[in-house]
Amino acid sequence: DAGVTQSPTHLIKTRGQHVTLRCSPISGHKSVSWYQQVLGQGPQFIFQYYEKEERGRGNFPDRFSARQFPNYSSELNVNALLLGDSALYLCASKRGGGFYEQYFGPGTRLTVT
Amino acid sequence: GENVEQHPSTLSVQEGDSAVIKCTYSDSASNYFPWYKQELGKRPQLIIDIRSNVGEKKDQRIAVTLNKTAKHFSLHITETQPEDSAVYFCAALYSGGGADGLTFGKGTHLIIQP
Repeated sequence: DAGVTQSPTHLIKTRGQHVTLRCSPISGHKSVSWYQQVLGQGPQFIFQYYEKEERGRGNFPDRFSARQFPNYSSELNVNALLLGDSALYLCASKRGGGFYEQYFGPGTRLTVT
Repeated sequence: GENVEQHPSTLSVQEGDSAVIKCTYSDSASNYFPWYKQELGKRPQLIIDIRSNVGEKKDQRIAVTLNKTAKHFSLHITETQPEDSAVYFCAALYSGGGADGLTFGKGTHLIIQP
């Protein structure tokens, strides 16, 4: 039973560029959430998608956007990258409905120079 | 919004002893409280969780307690082993508001001394 997968594993970008990160949830899970984890801190909630609709958004600027596809995979897009966007971006998968448990992927390490 | 405070930031215990990590939350509507273990360079791993209609939950050497009145919950690890060394995060969620975004504490670095 495959867990949550994310791609790419690592990414180096320059300030001002755009980045797209990808996530595939656990089979049967319909909800995907994105989190940003800065070194030494707990993950911070960015977005949640359920059944292809945005269900919630954390305190992040409009440079951050996401979408969920019919197969429940998801993309996180970040425009006009800043040095402060350097972090581990985690995707979490949830079954949906009355299930609360969220399972994390391995993350994408983004470095902005 | 929700705010989660976690203490201590670092905890060093002798192998075989018990470890306790404490968290407080601010939103009385929060109803789900998971704990994650994150080893260096790895993903956060869900190790135990508790819902607001339960006061305590155990799974082998780990247990979580919840005090809704005090808005306080704790992770207890007994008979600690070297493989318990990691960063532990508590989190809180209000699942009835539509979005399921977890609010995390800042983490506790647990060090098991041989």
